[in-house]
Amino acid sequence: DAGVTQSPTHLIKTRGQQVTLRCSPKSGHDTVSWYQQALGQGPQFIFQYYEEEERQRGNFPDRFSGHQFPNYSSELNVNALLLGDSALYLCASSSSPGNYGYTFGSGTRLTVV
Amino acid sequence: QKEVEQNSGPLSVPEGAIASLNCTYSDRGSQSFFWYRQYSGKSPELIMFIYSNGDKEDGRFTAQLNKASQYVSLLIRDSQPSDSATYLCAVNMLVPPRSGGSNYKLTFGKGTLLTVNP
Repeated sequence: DAGVTQSPTHLIKTRGQQVTLRCSPKSGHDTVSWYQQALGQGPQFIFQYYEEEERQRGNFPDRFSGHQFPNYSSELNVNALLLGDSALYLCASSSSPGNYGYTFGSGTRLTVV
Repeated sequence: QKEVEQNSGPLSVPEGAIASLNCTYSDRGSQSFFWYRQYSGKSPELIMFIYSNGDKEDGRFTAQLNKASQYVSLLIRDSQPSDSATYLCAVNMLVPPRSGGSNYKLTFGKGTLLTVNP
């Protein structure tokens, strides 16, 4: 039973570049949420996708955008990278945007230099 | 006031002791509560969830919820060195989505670093 799969695992980018992170949800899950976790902090909610729509958004600038595909997989795009975007990016999937627990992927470690 | 607050830590306990982790939340409408464990450099792993007031036990772990006080805690009995990790409290808050229907947003605290000393 495949859990949540994220790619790539590590990434190094230069300031000003653009990056795309990918997530495949756990089998049976249709909702994907993205989180940013800076060192020493709890995960911060970026946005959530359900039925190929952005359902909710956290306090992140428009440089952060996303997409959900018909097979429920999702992408997170970040434009015009800043040094402060360096973090662990986590994808979590759940069964409908309901009152249930979320399963996390192993994350993508993004370093901006 | 932050939406989810945890005792700042770090918390250090000897092996075999009880570790107590606390969390308060601001939204009275919150309906479900989770404790995740996160080892350094790894992703969060769900260890307990609780929906109703009172205690819920699972092995060495007990989650306690008091909705009137907006307080949730996690007790770890017979702590082991392998329990050393950051413990994240997360609250599922009901929020209006941007495109209709009902939706929940999982909001995390900052985490408490627990060290169990052999």
